[in-house]
Amino acid sequence: DTGVSQNPRHKITKRGQNVTFRCDPISEHNRLYWYRQTLGQGPEFLTYFQNEAQLEKSRLLSDRFSAERPKGSFSTLEIQRTEQGDSAMYLCASSLVPLAGSRSYNEQFFGPGTRLTVL
Amino acid sequence: GNSVTQMEGPVTLSEEAFLTINCTYTATGYPSLFWYVQYPGEGLQLLLKATKADDKGSNKGFEATYRKETTSFHLEKGSVQVSDSAVYFCALSVSGANSKLTFGKGITLSVRP
Repeated sequence: DTGVSQNPRHKITKRGQNVTFRCDPISEHNRLYWYRQTLGQGPEFLTYFQNEAQLEKSRLLSDRFSAERPKGSFSTLEIQRTEQGDSAMYLCASSLVPLAGSRSYNEQFFGPGTRLTVL
Repeated sequence: GNSVTQMEGPVTLSEEAFLTINCTYTATGYPSLFWYVQYPGEGLQLLLKATKADDKGSNKGFEATYRKETTSFHLEKGSVQVSDSAVYFCALSVSGANSKLTFGKGITLSVRP
Protein backbone atom coordinates (compact mmCIF):
# COMPACT_ATOMS: atom_id res chain seq x y z
CA ASP A 1 0.00 0.00 0.00
CA THR A 2 1.38 3.36 -1.01
CA GLY A 3 -0.81 5.58 1.15
CA VAL A 4 -3.58 7.97 0.20
CA SER A 5 -3.58 8.99 -3.45
CA GLN A 6 -5.41 11.85 -5.12
CA ASN A 7 -6.03 12.61 -8.77
CA PRO A 8 -5.48 14.83 -10.54
CA ARG A 9 -2.68 16.62 -8.72
CA HIS A 10 -3.43 19.86 -10.53
CA LYS A 11 -6.53 21.13 -12.27
CA ILE A 12 -6.98 24.39 -14.11
CA THR A 13 -10.48 25.25 -15.23
CA LYS A 14 -12.53 28.19 -16.38
CA ARG A 15 -15.16 29.75 -14.21
CA GLY A 16 -18.50 28.02 -14.61
CA GLN A 17 -17.08 24.62 -15.50
CA ASN A 18 -17.59 21.47 -13.40
CA VAL A 19 -14.65 19.58 -11.94
CA THR A 20 -14.32 16.24 -10.19
CA PHE A 21 -11.51 15.02 -7.96
CA ARG A 22 -10.80 11.50 -6.83
CA CYS A 23 -9.33 10.17 -3.59
CA ASP A 24 -8.16 6.61 -3.00
CA PRO A 25 -7.69 6.00 0.73
CA ILE A 26 -5.53 3.42 2.47
CA SER A 27 -7.33 0.18 1.73
CA GLU A 28 -8.37 -0.89 5.23
CA HIS A 29 -9.43 2.60 6.34
CA ASN A 30 -13.17 3.03 6.74
CA ARG A 31 -13.14 6.79 7.38
CA LEU A 32 -12.44 9.31 4.65
CA TYR A 33 -12.22 13.08 5.09
CA TRP A 34 -12.11 16.01 2.68
CA TYR A 35 -10.44 19.30 3.64
CA ARG A 36 -9.80 22.51 1.73
CA GLN A 37 -6.70 24.63 2.14
CA THR A 38 -6.39 28.14 0.76
CA LEU A 39 -3.14 30.07 0.47
CA GLY A 40 -1.71 31.02 3.85
CA GLN A 41 -4.35 29.10 5.79
CA GLY A 42 -4.56 25.74 7.44
CA PRO A 43 -6.81 23.00 6.07
CA GLU A 44 -10.52 23.38 6.79
CA PHE A 45 -12.88 20.45 7.21
CA LEU A 46 -15.42 19.94 4.43
CA THR A 47 -17.02 16.53 4.94
CA TYR A 48 -16.37 12.97 6.00
CA PHE A 49 -17.54 9.44 5.30
CA GLN A 50 -17.65 6.33 7.37
CA ASN A 51 -17.71 3.49 4.88
CA GLU A 52 -20.18 4.69 2.20
CA ALA A 53 -22.22 6.97 4.50
CA GLN A 54 -21.60 10.71 4.44
CA LEU A 55 -22.01 11.59 8.10
CA GLU A 56 -21.23 15.30 8.28
CA LYS A 57 -20.91 18.26 5.94
CA SER A 58 -19.40 21.60 6.85
CA ARG A 59 -21.22 24.85 6.18
CA LEU A 60 -18.30 25.54 3.82
CA LEU A 61 -19.73 22.92 1.51
CA SER A 62 -22.18 24.89 -0.60
CA ASP A 63 -24.85 23.32 -2.80
CA ARG A 64 -22.38 23.37 -5.69
CA PHE A 65 -20.23 20.80 -3.91
CA SER A 66 -21.09 17.12 -3.73
CA ALA A 67 -19.07 14.20 -2.46
CA GLU A 68 -19.63 10.48 -2.81
CA ARG A 69 -18.07 7.28 -1.65
CA PRO A 70 -20.22 4.74 -3.45
CA LYS A 71 -18.60 1.48 -2.37
CA GLY A 72 -16.91 2.62 0.78
CA SER A 73 -13.55 2.71 -0.95
CA PHE A 74 -12.56 5.64 -3.20
CA SER A 75 -14.35 8.99 -2.99
CA THR A 76 -15.09 11.76 -5.46
CA LEU A 77 -15.59 15.46 -4.81
CA GLU A 78 -17.43 17.38 -7.52
CA ILE A 79 -17.69 21.14 -7.79
CA GLN A 80 -20.33 22.46 -10.17
CA ARG A 81 -20.24 25.90 -11.78
CA THR A 82 -16.83 26.67 -10.35
CA GLU A 83 -16.06 30.16 -9.07
CA GLN A 84 -12.70 31.86 -8.61
CA GLY A 85 -13.16 31.57 -4.85
CA ASP A 86 -13.04 27.79 -5.22
CA SER A 87 -9.34 27.98 -6.08
CA ALA A 88 -7.59 26.03 -3.34
CA MET A 89 -5.83 22.80 -2.45
CA TYR A 90 -8.31 19.99 -1.81
CA LEU A 91 -6.97 17.42 0.62
CA CYS A 92 -8.20 13.93 1.34
CA ALA A 93 -7.37 11.95 4.46
CA SER A 94 -8.28 8.49 5.69
CA SER A 95 -8.25 6.72 9.03
CA LEU A 96 -9.64 3.81 10.97
CA VAL A 97 -12.66 4.34 13.22
CA PRO A 98 -11.71 4.86 16.90
CA LEU A 99 -12.95 2.25 19.34
CA ALA A 100 -16.52 2.95 20.46
CA GLY A 101 -16.68 4.83 23.75
CA SER A 102 -12.96 5.48 23.79
CA ARG A 103 -11.13 8.75 23.60
CA SER A 104 -8.51 7.23 21.38
CA TYR A 105 -7.53 8.94 18.19
CA ASN A 106 -6.70 7.12 15.01
CA GLU A 107 -4.23 9.03 12.89
CA GLN A 108 -5.52 10.62 9.72
CA PHE A 109 -3.21 9.98 6.77
CA PHE A 110 -3.28 12.71 4.17
CA GLY A 111 -2.91 12.53 0.43
CA PRO A 112 -0.81 15.00 -1.58
CA GLY A 113 -3.85 17.06 -2.51
CA THR A 114 -5.39 18.37 -5.73
CA ARG A 115 -4.60 21.98 -6.51
CA LEU A 116 -7.53 23.68 -8.25
CA THR A 117 -7.13 26.94 -10.12
CA VAL A 118 -10.26 28.61 -11.44
CA LEU A 119 -9.57 31.25 -14.09
CA GLY B 1 -16.49 26.68 18.59
CA ASN B 2 -13.06 25.16 18.22
CA SER B 3 -10.07 27.17 17.04
CA VAL B 4 -6.29 27.08 16.93
CA THR B 5 -4.03 30.12 16.92
CA GLN B 6 -0.41 29.90 15.83
CA MET B 7 2.28 32.55 16.06
CA GLU B 8 2.88 34.60 12.95
CA GLY B 9 5.62 33.52 10.60
CA PRO B 10 7.74 32.86 8.72
CA VAL B 11 10.58 31.80 10.99
CA THR B 12 14.19 31.65 9.80
CA LEU B 13 16.84 30.04 11.97
CA SER B 14 20.43 28.95 11.64
CA GLU B 15 21.24 25.26 11.91
CA GLU B 16 21.51 24.03 15.52
CA ALA B 17 19.42 26.92 16.85
CA PHE B 18 16.63 26.35 19.39
CA LEU B 19 13.10 26.36 18.01
CA THR B 20 9.84 27.33 19.67
CA ILE B 21 6.58 27.64 17.72
CA ASN B 22 3.65 28.84 19.82
CA CYS B 23 0.17 27.35 19.60
CA THR B 24 -2.90 28.09 21.68
CA TYR B 25 -6.39 26.69 21.32
CA THR B 26 -10.01 27.01 22.31
CA ALA B 27 -12.26 23.97 22.36
CA THR B 28 -15.81 23.16 23.37
CA GLY B 29 -14.87 19.73 24.64
CA TYR B 30 -11.76 17.88 25.72
CA PRO B 31 -9.41 18.03 22.74
CA SER B 32 -6.54 15.96 21.55
CA LEU B 33 -3.72 18.11 20.22
CA PHE B 34 -1.43 17.57 17.26
CA TRP B 35 1.43 19.00 15.28
CA TYR B 36 1.43 18.21 11.57
CA VAL B 37 4.32 18.95 9.22
CA GLN B 38 4.33 19.51 5.48
CA TYR B 39 7.69 19.16 3.78
CA PRO B 40 8.13 20.79 0.36
CA GLY B 41 6.23 18.87 -2.30
CA GLU B 42 4.77 16.37 0.16
CA GLY B 43 1.48 15.80 1.95
CA LEU B 44 0.68 16.55 5.58
CA GLN B 45 2.27 14.17 8.08
CA LEU B 46 1.53 13.75 11.75
CA LEU B 47 4.61 14.86 13.69
CA LEU B 48 3.41 14.30 17.26
CA LYS B 49 0.31 14.23 19.40
CA ALA B 50 -0.95 14.45 22.99
CA THR B 51 -4.37 13.28 24.08
CA LYS B 52 -4.65 14.53 27.67
CA ALA B 53 -3.42 17.31 29.92
CA ASP B 54 0.30 17.23 30.83
CA ASP B 55 1.03 14.62 28.14
CA LYS B 56 4.19 15.27 26.18
CA GLY B 57 4.29 14.28 22.55
CA SER B 58 7.68 13.75 20.95
CA ASN B 59 9.13 12.67 17.63
CA LYS B 60 12.29 13.37 15.60
CA GLY B 61 13.68 15.57 18.39
CA PHE B 62 10.53 17.72 18.51
CA GLU B 63 8.47 17.97 21.70
CA ALA B 64 5.21 19.58 22.76
CA THR B 65 3.41 19.47 26.11
CA TYR B 66 -0.37 19.67 26.48
CA ARG B 67 -0.95 22.56 28.91
CA LYS B 68 -4.61 22.72 29.87
CA GLU B 69 -4.17 25.65 32.25
CA THR B 70 -2.76 27.85 29.50
CA THR B 71 -4.59 26.10 26.62
CA SER B 72 -1.28 25.77 24.81
CA PHE B 73 0.71 23.17 22.88
CA HIS B 74 3.97 24.86 21.93
CA LEU B 75 6.39 22.98 19.66
CA GLU B 76 10.08 22.91 20.60
CA LYS B 77 13.30 21.46 19.28
CA GLY B 78 16.67 21.92 20.85
CA SER B 79 18.76 21.93 17.67
CA VAL B 80 17.16 22.36 14.27
CA GLN B 81 18.55 20.98 11.04
CA VAL B 82 18.23 22.14 7.46
CA SER B 83 16.00 19.12 6.84
CA ASP B 84 13.46 20.52 9.34
CA SER B 85 12.56 23.27 6.86
CA ALA B 86 8.82 22.83 6.31
CA VAL B 87 5.40 24.21 7.18
CA TYR B 88 4.16 23.30 10.67
CA PHE B 89 0.48 23.14 11.60
CA CYS B 90 -0.99 22.90 15.07
CA ALA B 91 -4.35 21.12 15.18
CA LEU B 92 -6.97 19.78 17.54
CA SER B 93 -9.67 17.16 17.50
CA VAL B 94 -12.45 16.96 20.06
CA SER B 95 -13.40 13.44 21.07
CA GLY B 96 -16.70 12.48 19.61
CA ALA B 97 -18.18 10.97 16.53
CA ASN B 98 -16.26 12.54 13.71
CA SER B 99 -12.65 13.18 14.87
CA LYS B 100 -12.34 16.02 12.37
CA LEU B 101 -9.26 18.16 12.69
CA THR B 102 -9.26 21.93 13.27
CA PHE B 103 -5.99 23.46 12.09
CA GLY B 104 -4.11 26.66 12.74
CA LYS B 105 -2.82 28.76 9.85
CA GLY B 106 0.56 27.09 9.80
CA ILE B 107 4.02 28.58 10.03
CA THR B 108 6.88 28.23 7.58
CA LEU B 109 10.24 27.33 9.09
CA SER B 110 13.40 27.85 7.08
CA VAL B 111 16.69 26.60 8.49
CA ARG B 112 19.86 27.89 6.89
CA PRO B 113 23.20 26.04 7.01
